[in-house]
Amino acid sequence: DAGVIQSPRHEVTEMGQEVTLRCKPISGHNSLFWYRQTMMRGLELLIYFNNNVPIDDSGMPEDRFSAKMPNASFSTLKIQPSEPRDSAVYFCASSPVSYEQYFGPGTRLTVT
Amino acid sequence: RKEVEQDPGPFNVPEGATVAFNCTYSNSASQSFFWYRQDCRKEPKLLMSVYSSGNEDGRFTAQLNRASQYISLLIRDSKLSDSATYLCVVNNRSSGSARQLTFGSGTQLTVLP
Repeated sequence: DAGVIQSPRHEVTEMGQEVTLRCKPISGHNSLFWYRQTMMRGLELLIYFNNNVPIDDSGMPEDRFSAKMPNASFSTLKIQPSEPRDSAVYFCASSPVSYEQYFGPGTRLTVT
Repeated sequence: RKEVEQDPGPFNVPEGATVAFNCTYSNSASQSFFWYRQDCRKEPKLLMSVYSSGNEDGRFTAQLNRASQYISLLIRDSKLSDSATYLCVVNNRSSGSARQLTFGSGTQLTVLP
């Protein structure tokens, strides 16, 4: 199995631009999670989907952030407009019926 | 109070040493517990689940004390390759979603030659 796939691996963009991060979960996993990690705040859950349905988006920082999961094999996290404080590593993770989560390699976002 | 608390370290130990990490959690309803390991500039990876009776995987031993809401990880005969940040992770049953995990901030370990 290829594991969780994320793209791009690195993204550098200017403030105000739209950023779209992509994730392909492990086949057969029915839950998908988006996290953000910074030195200051550690690993924070942004949003979580179960069977493609958003269950908890209370971690999404503000309206500039949105996430979709149109089917079981694809999800996007969009930031529009991006700001320098959005600079972080964004991880996608997927989970089977049990509680373990398997993380993708992350997208390192830098907003200048 | 944080939901999951860990000593951030850093722990610097010589190769071959035994090192123990501790973690406390605040939600008594939590039911699933894990240790994850994160290497520098990499994603967190599941190291082991933690079971009520305690469990061992090679040089790694995990223990759970539900009464004290305390989890531990013991690493014996530490190797240079054990150098990483170790994250204590708890399933937060009080959240709207039983699948949601809460991650501690991690304990940094450096094994020195």
